[in-house]
Amino acid sequence: AQSVSQHNHHVILSEAASLELGCNYSYGGTVNLFWYVQYPGQHLQLLLKYFSGDPLVKGIKGFEAEFIKSKFSFNLRKPSVQWSDTAEYFCAVNAPYTGFQKLVFGTGTRLLVSP
Amino acid sequence: DTEVTQTPKHLVMGMTNKKSLKCEQHMGHRAMYWYKQKAKKPPELMFVYSYEKLSINESVPSRFSPECPNSSLLNLHLHALQPEDSALYLCASSLGTGTYEQYFGPGTRLTVT
Repeated sequence: AQSVSQHNHHVILSEAASLELGCNYSYGGTVNLFWYVQYPGQHLQLLLKYFSGDPLVKGIKGFEAEFIKSKFSFNLRKPSVQWSDTAEYFCAVNAPYTGFQKLVFGTGTRLLVSP
Repeated sequence: DTEVTQTPKHLVMGMTNKKSLKCEQHMGHRAMYWYKQKAKKPPELMFVYSYEKLSINESVPSRFSPECPNSSLLNLHLHALQPEDSALYLCASSLGTGTYEQYFGPGTRLTVT
């Protein structure tokens, strides 16, 4: 079965610091990769996605992620975080499952940005 | 309109009650999903509907009963729940069950007393 690992469960940064959140997945075939964000009290929102093509994907709010197939990784980056980036971040993989594409989430990384 | 709406936002129910959660989308999506999210955990898939037919039931207890009356609506009927069923219930939709992103609603926070 597919699985997704997020190495950092909690990250604390100061404003303007750079961010990198790790994500590794276990499926060896063709996958679609996502980063979702859940701001406090809000619903899950799609930050960015990778389906094919350029492995460096740019998303909303200045986030980007790089797909490295050889490392089964899809790490999320932002050069300079803001206090408003405080949220929980979920990496997810969409992989074949009994005839459809199942979205499997990592355990999440809770980011706290201090002003 | 890229919104999935869910009602109610909060629900408190006793173990003998019967209640329903509702989800609606008007994006023309043909796949709809129910997820359960416990505190500080990722969402876990419960059910998948494709073209108003139940495609996937992830071994969910029968006290949870999904229904898809039409392509825009998804219900989750609840009966005889247990306290451990307390969680955030998320609805999502996507264009289809293939390689498409899912759009999530805000969820219903359910407390079973």
